[in-house]
Amino acid sequence: DTEVTQTPKHLVMGMTNKKSLKCEQHMGHRAMYWYKQKAKKPPELMFVYSYEKLSINESVPSRFSPECPNSSLLNLHLHALQPEDSALYLCASRLGQAGEQFFGPGTRLTVL
Amino acid sequence: QKEVEQNSGPLSVPEGAIASLNCTYSDRGSQSFFWYRQYSGKSPELIMFIYSNGDKEDGRFTAQLNKASQYVSLLIRDSQPSDSATYLCAVRSPGNNRKLIWGLGTSLAVNP
Repeated sequence: DTEVTQTPKHLVMGMTNKKSLKCEQHMGHRAMYWYKQKAKKPPELMFVYSYEKLSINESVPSRFSPECPNSSLLNLHLHALQPEDSALYLCASRLGQAGEQFFGPGTRLTVL
Repeated sequence: QKEVEQNSGPLSVPEGAIASLNCTYSDRGSQSFFWYRQYSGKSPELIMFIYSNGDKEDGRFTAQLNKASQYVSLLIRDSQPSDSATYLCAVRSPGNNRKLIWGLGTSLAVNP
């Protein structure tokens, strides 16, 4: 089973709202990722958690705040977003030595 | 600068033909190589990975790796209209094995 789940599937928010994206995997993977993807572009790495510790932050603006409550869960807290932050937000988890990553279905975010 | 390059396409093949997708990478130290399929509006799906020189086959898909020439390819035999998607090549960064370096993707259209 290589399932990563994400909620919600769609999210519309105003620029003053606070919302959270959630990601869950039960495959025992110890690395989890947040990506942002715009249309016709590859995924753009935002954050990596390894063994529940933040190991990579790709200079993401502070209006995005990640959290890893335990080895199965990953959250992305959103606050004061801009319309240009509208995108598909993808969560992924990494399996083994080869580094293969498995993606969840994504959250389609629209910021008005 | 570490790069992964793909022809953007669209690559158009008739149903039943072999589709050949190519990817070149710049960092000779790269170790693991991945092909993801992404349907429009969906998340990337891992279809193949390879880390040894030569061919790796899985059903209708064959990944080919040539480290001396720094390219990796994906062959899809007996192409079906359902194979129409964007194919993303990704390479594990030798400098940081938690990161993937992504190509821009090749759009494949399989015509009935």
